[in-house]
Amino acid sequence: LAKTTQPISMDSYEGQEVNITCSHNNIATNDYITWYQQFPSQGPRFIIQGYKTKVTNEVASLFIPADRKSSTLSLPRVSLSDTAVYYCLVGYNAGNMLTFGGGTRLMVKP
Amino acid sequence: DGGITQSPKYLFRKEGQNVTLSCEQNLNHDAMYWYRQDPGQGLRLIYYSQIVNDFQKGDIAEGYSVSREKKESFPLTVTSAQKNPTAFYLCASSSTPALSGNTIYFGEGSWLTVV
Repeated sequence: LAKTTQPISMDSYEGQEVNITCSHNNIATNDYITWYQQFPSQGPRFIIQGYKTKVTNEVASLFIPADRKSSTLSLPRVSLSDTAVYYCLVGYNAGNMLTFGGGTRLMVKP
Repeated sequence: DGGITQSPKYLFRKEGQNVTLSCEQNLNHDAMYWYRQDPGQGLRLIYYSQIVNDFQKGDIAEGYSVSREKKESFPLTVTSAQKNPTAFYLCASSSTPALSGNTIYFGEGSWLTVV
């Protein structure tokens, strides 16, 4: 199972773009990359998922280079409500154990 | 998250007591998972089940037990053998198999405290 490495924490200010990178050097061919957001005492919430290149939805973009050994979650114009822990999950969801890394604590300041 | 119900939200356990956390999903998902989260830490996998009547140990299964008698239900029992059970417990589910990546959906979690 692909192990992921993320920065422990990041600080930003309202209105800025935030990029969080996740390393997953031993990603397998069938593995997808998924990002989740978690607020205190709540379950993680799906943000975005991708396999290669770039994926964009209404809340974020996900950039995946050709070798797929890393990925970057991009949050445009963050607000205070984006303060949360962000997890990168790599795995092919067909019965594999899905193991989360430690996540990145994002603090958005006014 | 929508479709996965965990109960109770808060639970207190006395020393030496077994307690069971409930998890029900109406998403028709085959796979279900239990994670433990200690304050300020990431999620650690306790058990997972790919199909009814089958389940596998995760990274920290000792002191826990599960059952999967119905597709919708995956209860977790925290036994007296779990010496430090105070934590936030998260249940999740996903559909399998996959031609493309499937996302995991989480419940809102249950806090267990030993008193």
